[in-house]
Amino acid sequence: QVTLKESGPVLVKPTETLTLTCTVSGFSLNNARMGVSWIRQPPGKALEWLAHIFANDEKSYRTSLKSRLTISKDTSRSQVVLTMTNVDSVDTATYYCARIQGGFSQGLFDYWGQGILVTVSS
Amino acid sequence: SYELTQPPSLSVSPGQTANITCSGEKLGDKYACWYQQKPGQSPVVVIYQDTKRPPGIPERFSGSNSGNTATLTISGTQAMDEADYYCQAWDRTTGVVFGGGTKLTVL
Repeated sequence: QVTLKESGPVLVKPTETLTLTCTVSGFSLNNARMGVSWIRQPPGKALEWLAHIFANDEKSYRTSLKSRLTISKDTSRSQVVLTMTNVDSVDTATYYCARIQGGFSQGLFDYWGQGILVTVSS
Repeated sequence: SYELTQPPSLSVSPGQTANITCSGEKLGDKYACWYQQKPGQSPVVVIYQDTKRPPGIPERFSGSNSGNTATLTISGTQAMDEADYYCQAWDRTTGVVFGGGTKLTVL
């Protein structure tokens, strides 16, 4: 049974660094042609892809946020971590991690975590 | 950067066919996926690689992709299909791209 679960702070202050962890089970982060993405959704708005990492450690970031994001994985702990620096109120959103099945260009997000609502406020 | 455009909303009567479109430059040269999201829930993939349906997704969901437009078709729409629908594609330069979403109302 494949599951993903997001964890991290639900409230962060402006200018702080946000660190989110996605703990996966039911598959290995070393599994070829699989990866994990972080996707967010501001309240009442559309889905917004942030970053992904594949089994071969290939990484990609949303262009507009590239300078603020870092994605990494710890295969032994089955975790994918996303850090976002210098957060602002516009970063208030539900953050999801999702499994990528099938690799770049043909992949799909076949399993999603439940999401974690992160509010940026002083 | 690559963009996908969807109509913000669509209304259909129960039993009718809903066609949700997604437009992007040469989208037909890429694979399109479609996700259904109900209020308070995580998205669920209903169509991938343009036309494929994951296990457990009803046959009334189908997809097509040609030229600049991908289309999600729901035949015999049911009240339970009322949700937000997002298209998604991969772009070599931009990465993963989602459309702005279409709110489907089943009146």
